[in-house]
Amino acid sequence: GAVVSQHPSWVICKSGTSVKIECRSLDFQATTMFWYRQFPKQSLMLMATSNEGSKATYEQGVEKDKFLINHASLTLSTLTVTSAHPEDSSFYICSARDRTSATDTQYFGPGTRLTVL
Amino acid sequence: QKEVEQNSGPLSVPEGAIASLNCTYSDRGSQSFFWYRQYSGKSPELIMSIYSNGDKEDGRFTAQLNKASQYVSLLIRDSQPSDSATYLCAVRTGGGNKLTFGTGTQLKVEL
Repeated sequence: GAVVSQHPSWVICKSGTSVKIECRSLDFQATTMFWYRQFPKQSLMLMATSNEGSKATYEQGVEKDKFLINHASLTLSTLTVTSAHPEDSSFYICSARDRTSATDTQYFGPGTRLTVL
Repeated sequence: QKEVEQNSGPLSVPEGAIASLNCTYSDRGSQSFFWYRQYSGKSPELIMSIYSNGDKEDGRFTAQLNKASQYVSLLIRDSQPSDSATYLCAVRTGGGNKLTFGTGTQLKVEL
């Protein structure tokens, strides 16, 4: 149980284009999902908390107009990187909180590696 | 002071030995504690969670929590080369949603 999927697993795009990443909880409902970014050899950085049916909560320094988050259902959250630039190249990882489990735990998706040319 | 602190390592142990990974946290209101393992180029995977003072064992892994000392640790018995990874300590405070992660400890298990 507690499987989280992400799509795509990797994407290469041209500078200035937008990229959408999907995060799905496959066997549980997630009222809360999280989006992280990780640069090589660095720790996870929380970008935003995605709440089903309401606006996302962004961490300080993360541009909400550049990183659009939509959590339209209890099993799906999307992150759209708008007008991507090379400095946005990173490993984007989502996680979903399973409140129904005995451990109330966050489970991570496999990540999406974004390369902006 | 960082909210969750871990020694970045690398921590090198011989195969078959016990690896001891440590984590301290600053918020006394923290309620839930998690250990994740992250292989290079992969996303974190949950190893264990712990909520109460004392030890919790799962196979070769034992998590230890001491809230008075604001300290949580992970012991890996009979370490294997496949255990070589970065281990992330994460803490949730009270009823909050977010997990606060440490920067991780790199573990190397040598043949």
